[in-house]
Amino acid sequence: DARVTQTPRHKVTEMGQEVTMRCQPILGHNTVFWYRQTMMQGLELLAYFRNRAPLDDSGMPKDRFSAEMPDATLATLKIQPSEPRDSAVYFCASGLRASLGGSQPQHFGDGTRLSIL
Amino acid sequence: GDSVTQMEGPVTLSEEAFLTINCTYTATGYPSLFWYVQYPGEGLQLLLKATKADDKGSNKGFEATYRKETTSFHLEKGSVQVSDSAVYFCALSKETSGSRLTFGEGTQLTVNP
Repeated sequence: DARVTQTPRHKVTEMGQEVTMRCQPILGHNTVFWYRQTMMQGLELLAYFRNRAPLDDSGMPKDRFSAEMPDATLATLKIQPSEPRDSAVYFCASGLRASLGGSQPQHFGDGTRLSIL
Repeated sequence: GDSVTQMEGPVTLSEEAFLTINCTYTATGYPSLFWYVQYPGEGLQLLLKATKADDKGSNKGFEATYRKETTSFHLEKGSVQVSDSAVYFCALSKETSGSRLTFGEGTQLTVNP
């Protein structure tokens, strides 16, 4: 089965360091989402792309977070500088939005568990 | 804005018990509805979906029916197993919102042997 691949699976770093999380969407999927999961806030949408173009990043703190898709096989989420409150599990999901029809399900990676000390 | 509300957890059942996890939604337009399941240390997996009113989604013994009149999408299973222990998320998405998912809070299910 095709899968969304996220790296690294775990990351522990000190406050102030740059963090880069990577996501390889399922081949052929044209939509990529970044979510953050915490105990307090649950699952929050940070940003999403369609055909590599950013459509919405209103869920991201703009001063420190950035999301890009340099090509169709790679999406990145960067935090600079990182803060302890950024500690969470970050999920990437991909899907295929056809020109017609209802919403297609998203496929999730296993996440990056981030701890900022 | 759109929102999803799930019954509060955690839910603890004995094996072979009947399961219901309630989910209601608030949305304009015509959302698609989903149930996702998350096992420890893993990402979310699609369990089932329904795209229009009165559709029934089903998978692995789980079922949910899209009820527009009550804006609900309750998850049911007739006989749970220990391996069903996980966190269950109800979610909706709309084409007009870019197909982004709006999730409920999640419900932790523990099934004891």
